[in-house]
Amino acid sequence: EIVMTQSPATLSVSPGERATLSCRASRSVSSNLAWYQQKPGQAPRLLIYGTSTRATGIPARFSGSGSGTEFSLTISSLQSEDFAVYYCQQYNNWPETFGQGTKVEIK
Amino acid sequence: QVQLVQSGAEVKKPGASMKVSCKASGYTFSSYYMHWLRQAPGQGHEWMGIINPSGGSTSYAQKFQGRVTMTRDTSTSTVYVELSSLRSDDTAVYYCARGGSITLVRGPFDYWGQGTLVTVSS
Repeated sequence: EIVMTQSPATLSVSPGERATLSCRASRSVSSNLAWYQQKPGQAPRLLIYGTSTRATGIPARFSGSGSGTEFSLTISSLQSEDFAVYYCQQYNNWPETFGQGTKVEIK
Repeated sequence: QVQLVQSGAEVKKPGASMKVSCKASGYTFSSYYMHWLRQAPGQGHEWMGIINPSGGSTSYAQKFQGRVTMTRDTSTSTVYVELSSLRSDDTAVYYCARGGSITLVRGPFDYWGQGTLVTVSS
């Protein structure tokens, strides 16, 4: 199975600052890469799919980039509601696998 | 609007079986694959398998082969996951999630159920 590795595990950021999260796949997943946001006690919410396409209703401050095995999620100016755990997921091959997550916390 | 509503929390003894339901609404049930995943406390997401609501075909993660069964009821737009021979490490929140369309197959999980906590304890 494809192993997804996220870094860093925790990112401490001040409100209004920029945050960049990384995700690496153990082999190419083409552009079939998604990002999710999860808050405590809630189901994950789809943010980005196809590497760079924002899901419905997702603010423009969220952007995704990359290809093949290296991907990133950027939050341009962190808002209070953005502090959460973020997961990348490949859906190019079964089993569809997730990274272990990056926790974005308030600095 | 698309909604996936799961059944309530369960407490099971080791060796028992669990069955969680996921009722879909707001879209054509047979047009999108449905996935089941789980998340153990403090852990990441583990994909369990996929079901085609149209024909009922399934594919399971190797880890769960022989213990998991996914079914659907098209009359109520509901999918089910059943896991047998439960162990303490099966304690987790179980999620259904809508995947790609039947024609495209590959797709992100754009809608999720609210999650069902299954606790396995003696």
